[in-house]
Amino acid sequence: DAGVIQSPRHEVTEMGQEVTLRCKPISGHDYLFWYRQTMMRGLELLIYFNNNVPIDDSGMPEDRFSAKMPNASFSTLKIQPSEPRDSAVYFCASSPTGTRSEQYFGPGTRLTVT
Amino acid sequence: AQTVTQSQPEMSVQEAETVTLSCTYDTSENNYYLFWYKQPPSRQMILVIRQEAYKQQNATENRFSVNFQKAAKSFSLKISDSQLGDTAMYFCAFMKHGGTYKYIFGTGTRLKVLA
Repeated sequence: DAGVIQSPRHEVTEMGQEVTLRCKPISGHDYLFWYRQTMMRGLELLIYFNNNVPIDDSGMPEDRFSAKMPNASFSTLKIQPSEPRDSAVYFCASSPTGTRSEQYFGPGTRLTVT
Repeated sequence: AQTVTQSQPEMSVQEAETVTLSCTYDTSENNYYLFWYKQPPSRQMILVIRQEAYKQQNATENRFSVNFQKAAKSFSLKISDSQLGDTAMYFCAFMKHGGTYKYIFGTGTRLKVLA
């Protein structure tokens, strides 16, 4: 089975540009999570979806961030406009419903905003 | 609100030795899950072990085992016969049973296995 797939693996962009990060969850998983990891703040949950519906976006830092899940196999996290403080590693994770509640993480996207 | 504390920012251990990483948490919940994740230099987050709070038996996965003390709200990870490939950041995580499926992560412990 393929794991969670994220693209791109690395992204370098200039301040003010739009950035789109992509995620394909594990097939059959109906929960999808977006995290941000920085040295200062550690791992932060930004938003999560259940059956393609956003359930909790309280971790989204500001209106510049938006996330969508148009279908069960694809999600995007968009930052517009990007700022240097958005530089971080962004992880996507998915999880099946049920007692086996562990989350499976993708390899992450390292975003650098100059 | 739940919190997870990992009080050891960095640790080192000699290859083939045993090391224990500590994790404490605070919650008023009775049913929950606890996890240890490993993040090697490749940055991929890998599940090491999970524990259901209602199970008294400590979870084990090969060289990895936990010491789960529910009353003390403690969840330590023991790595036996440490290998160079165990060098990584280790994160403890808490998830309440039922409902949100949200993890609360600790700040991590950086483990270095020395040859």
